Amino acid sequence: SQKIEQNSEALNIQEGKTATLTCNYTNYSPAYLQWYRQDPGRGPVFLLLIRENEKEKRKERLKVTFDTTLKQSLFHITASQPADSATYLCALVTGGYQKVTFGIGTKLQVIP
Amino acid sequence: GAVVSQHPSWVICKSGTSVKIECRSLDFQATTMFWYRQFPKQSLMLMATSNEGSKATYEQGVEKDKFLINHASLTLSTLTVTSAHPEDSSFYICSAWGAGGSSYNEQFFGPGTRLTVL
Repeated sequence: SQKIEQNSEALNIQEGKTATLTCNYTNYSPAYLQWYRQDPGRGPVFLLLIRENEKEKRKERLKVTFDTTLKQSLFHITASQPADSATYLCALVTGGYQKVTFGIGTKLQVIP
Repeated sequence: GAVVSQHPSWVICKSGTSVKIECRSLDFQATTMFWYRQFPKQSLMLMATSNEGSKATYEQGVEKDKFLINHASLTLSTLTVTSAHPEDSSFYICSAWGAGGSSYNEQFFGPGTRLTVL
């Protein structure tokens, strides 16, 4: 069966360090993969998109890698700040660039 | 970027009543909108795809007669939860794809509606 796995355990890191979140998937052939941020009681906010033929994407302090052989994406936040504390969702886009399937998300807590 | 709004942001209703949730794209036209549901500590689950001027497409296991979707214009989709029960209590979120330019391939989400059925 199809599965998207994110570490549902909370990740606690010290301010200034790099946070690395993992997204693994099985039985999908995504056209591309997205990362979102979700704050409590709010809708997700789009952060980054990476296509199946791209290995790495950067945006300011964010970096995403995509390994279609391992079926894994890593999401990095460098120089993390307390304001980065949120739940981060991985999402796979399939089916003609319309259907989006979300992982459960990883809660990140950046400690001052 | 594009903005999607939802109304109301929260609603409490009695069991057996119907509740309507509105989703609007404020500065772009959306021929397709999506409705998701999120239970506590769970991922967003796609309920249905709302198509302007035609019937919605529902995901497996979602009752189309219970969750009525109407997409009457390019900027408005509504979700009506009919005969709501406590198990329908959840966080309902809508989304739409960006219309082009830098927002292409980006999905914009509404702020969500918290439904509590007593």
